[in-house]
Amino acid sequence: DVKVTQSSRYLVKRTGEKVFLECVQDMDHENMFWYRQDPGLGLRLIYFSYDVKMKEKGDIPEGYSVSREKKERFSLILESASTNQTSMYLCASSPTGANTEAFFGQGTRLTVV
Amino acid sequence: KQEVTQIPAALSVPEGENLVLNCSFTDSAIYNLQWFRQDPGKGLTSLLLIQSSQREQTSGRLNASLDKSSGRSTLYIAASQPGDSATYLCAAYTGRRALTFGSGTRLQVQP
Repeated sequence: DVKVTQSSRYLVKRTGEKVFLECVQDMDHENMFWYRQDPGLGLRLIYFSYDVKMKEKGDIPEGYSVSREKKERFSLILESASTNQTSMYLCASSPTGANTEAFFGQGTRLTVV
Repeated sequence: KQEVTQIPAALSVPEGENLVLNCSFTDSAIYNLQWFRQDPGKGLTSLLLIQSSQREQTSGRLNASLDKSSGRSTLYIAASQPGDSATYLCAAYTGRRALTFGSGTRLQVQP
């Protein structure tokens, strides 16, 4: 089974802190994604990566950056956490190709106080 | 820009009913459509993937259909059980920017 593992289920951080969310997949997938999910707004794409060291902005990249130094690991960085970044963060991975399946991690519930 | 809509937003049914969840998308040039299940506070679990060349996929009590020309997909759940209670999301892949998700249907199956 494909496994996508996010480093934390719950995080509480203070405003202004630099926050790292880690995601690891074990199936050698080329593509990795970070979404955030908020009530009434659904899932929104923050960043995605289709190869090591490659990244592309999604729909809401402001206030975030990402790092992909190894194929299996994709990190989301909140440069200076703010309360409006309190959300559920979901990482996903998929192989390259048109008809491939995406797999998600268990989610990280981040609260910024 | 692809837009995905799910109707209804919420559904409550008694145990044992067969039910249909609807998903519509505006750009018919999709590569595939994927259905997910999400339990409260958890991540997404992939249920079914329908490729653009397919019309339907089945897994156990679940059957998903795809009609690209009309921009619609349906998820059919047979003989619903309380354990099926969750939010069901559909997502369309057009190959340009990851998946585009609908807002989900929250299903409650009453024992």
